[in-house]
Amino acid sequence: DQQVKQNSPSLSVQEGRISILNCDYTNSMFDYFLWYKKYPAEGPTFLISISSIKDKNEDGRFTVFLNKSAKHLSLHIVPSQPGDSAVYFCAASALAGNQFYFGTGTSLTVIP
Amino acid sequence: EAQVTQNPRYLITVTGKKLTVTCSQNMNHEYMSWYRQDPGLGLRQIYYSMNVEVTDKGDVPEGYKVSRKEKRNFPLILESPSPNQTSLYFCASSGLAGYNEQFFGPGTRLTVL
Repeated sequence: DQQVKQNSPSLSVQEGRISILNCDYTNSMFDYFLWYKKYPAEGPTFLISISSIKDKNEDGRFTVFLNKSAKHLSLHIVPSQPGDSAVYFCAASALAGNQFYFGTGTSLTVIP
Repeated sequence: EAQVTQNPRYLITVTGKKLTVTCSQNMNHEYMSWYRQDPGLGLRQIYYSMNVEVTDKGDVPEGYKVSRKEKRNFPLILESPSPNQTSLYFCASSGLAGYNEQFFGPGTRLTVL
């Protein structure tokens, strides 16, 4: 039973435009959320995180929004760059941040 | 260079032949974890360790064992591998248990025939 879901397997955007990646979760006990980026043949790398006490966190071109009532989070990338082309995973943690649940990933392609 | 290393990177084996995938980190991290990545299922946590001699089951621990005798090492043991354990495995570590981003290794591609 997938507790963290990314319903869009892929997304294509033009360079310079906004990329919006979505993630839904079912477990109301999740209190910490993260986004990771993964290039082929490499391990995931951390991108940005948000605690459940916040509804927004920004880091440069990346912003994560959390809507607890809807159990939904999104990652905005503005402006999108070709180097952002990768698979993006959202993750949520339970048990004081020791157990993690990942989504199935969204493959982002940024077209030059 | 701060990193998480895994060995081997690729392994083809046969059903029932015990194997160990090693994981080592040089960042003095307390928390370490193993994941498997499968198409359509994303990454799923197998086991995690909050510190030396402390390990706990993740979401999919069946068929796997781990040990944490030293802070830097966290080997994954498959005592009797089966074809459904064919997967891409990642080891990860973070500075403190809880609420921290994890650093991932490059992955181990395992095929069990």
